[in-house]
Amino acid sequence: EPEVTQTPSHQVTQMGQEVILRCVPISNHLYFYWYRQILGQKVEFLVSFYNNEISEKSEIFDDQFSVERPDGSNFTLKIRSTKLEDSAMYFCATNRGYNSPLHFGNGTRLTVT
Amino acid sequence: TQLLEQSPQFLSIQEGENLTVYCNSSSVFSSLQWYRQEPGEGPVLLVTVVTGGEVKKLKRLTFQFGDARKDSSLHITAAQPGDTGLYLCAGEGDSGYALNFGKGTSLLVTP
Repeated sequence: EPEVTQTPSHQVTQMGQEVILRCVPISNHLYFYWYRQILGQKVEFLVSFYNNEISEKSEIFDDQFSVERPDGSNFTLKIRSTKLEDSAMYFCATNRGYNSPLHFGNGTRLTVT
Repeated sequence: TQLLEQSPQFLSIQEGENLTVYCNSSSVFSSLQWYRQEPGEGPVLLVTVVTGGEVKKLKRLTFQFGDARKDSSLHITAAQPGDTGLYLCAGEGDSGYALNFGKGTSLLVTP
């Protein structure tokens, strides 16, 4: 069964550094999302992306965050200057259509030191 | 933001027992989804309920959507160790793109 692939599985970075998290969506999916889950807390929506533009973003998704689909394959989340509180599991999710089942990747565990 | 409260937060039972977990909100949702998440993995969709009062069954799992579309329950019959995991409910936000998740119920089924 096709799946959403995320790399790396674990990223350790120093505060203030830039990180790029990568996701390869399922091939016929058109809607892409990033969620995060801080340890012990609930899964939180960050951003949705459709037709090469952001369709919705949460308050968490401030100017330090950006998303793009640089090569028509990867879907990336960039954090420009990481903070300690950015430490979390970051999940990419995709679906074929607006109301169709959402498929999550296995996440990237980001640790900011 | 539409909040979803899940209860209980933790549940530890023996194999063969039945259990029910709950997802409640003061807001109306057009649909609710249930996911299961295992350690180190992303959430996996189990079911989507759309119509008030709807009941859906997935083998030993029974999902119900409240008549007013504000709450949902998941009942597991004869739980097995393979049912162990974090059960999350999620509802669509106002715009329809974002999912609002509850904190989940962590279920442990021991042999």
